[in-house]
Amino acid sequence: AQKITQTQPGMFVQEKEAVTLDCTYDTSDQSYGLFWYKQPSSGEMIFLIYQGSYDEQNATEGRYSLNFQKARKSANLVISASQLGDSAMYFCASQGLNAGGTSYGKLTFGQGTILTVHP
Amino acid sequence: GAVVSQHPSRVICKSGTSVKIECRSLDFQATTMFWYRQFPKQSLMLMATSNEGSKATYEQGVEKDKFLINHASLTLSTLTVTSAHPEDSSFYICSARDPVSEFYEQYFGPGTRLTVT
Repeated sequence: AQKITQTQPGMFVQEKEAVTLDCTYDTSDQSYGLFWYKQPSSGEMIFLIYQGSYDEQNATEGRYSLNFQKARKSANLVISASQLGDSAMYFCASQGLNAGGTSYGKLTFGQGTILTVHP
Repeated sequence: GAVVSQHPSRVICKSGTSVKIECRSLDFQATTMFWYRQFPKQSLMLMATSNEGSKATYEQGVEKDKFLINHASLTLSTLTVTSAHPEDSSFYICSARDPVSEFYEQYFGPGTRLTVT
């Protein structure tokens, strides 16, 4: 079973500044994956970044980086150099994997954080 | 990345009628598809998991007779909202899992906004 907690219902950031969106997780799976998605007002779910539980390095994708602290069960998303187009709802999600990695569970989503970027 | 389409993008129907929403994986074969429901400013709520050729697995509290799911092929799953009522108005999103993707990623469709009058 998986549980994702996003404690920031809304966040504000000035354009060009960095912002951190918090995510903590709870899981009974030994192997799991953590995802971040962006959902603009159009409703589409845009995949941003992925972190595997056994990855030693923090994941990075362009302006997005994932601050993965396994002992603290946190997977915070850092957006650098915020842009107006970053204004959207952001979801953290997790997915369990079995030991062999050949079958996998469903995605569990957090409550989401609405990010507003000010000019 | 892989593409998932959803049709229609918006639908308005009268109370008591049924509505079918299609979800297609366009460039990969999806053995598993998922259907979510989302209310404004809330998270995605998983309704059911659909495996090709077998019955869908519904989440607790989701009425299987009201939300009929069919996964007839490796590229198509459909959700039919039967005898729709205004409280069924919502944003419905499907996703398809690519079994050969690097981290078992789910690719999401663009969603269907259902309004029941």
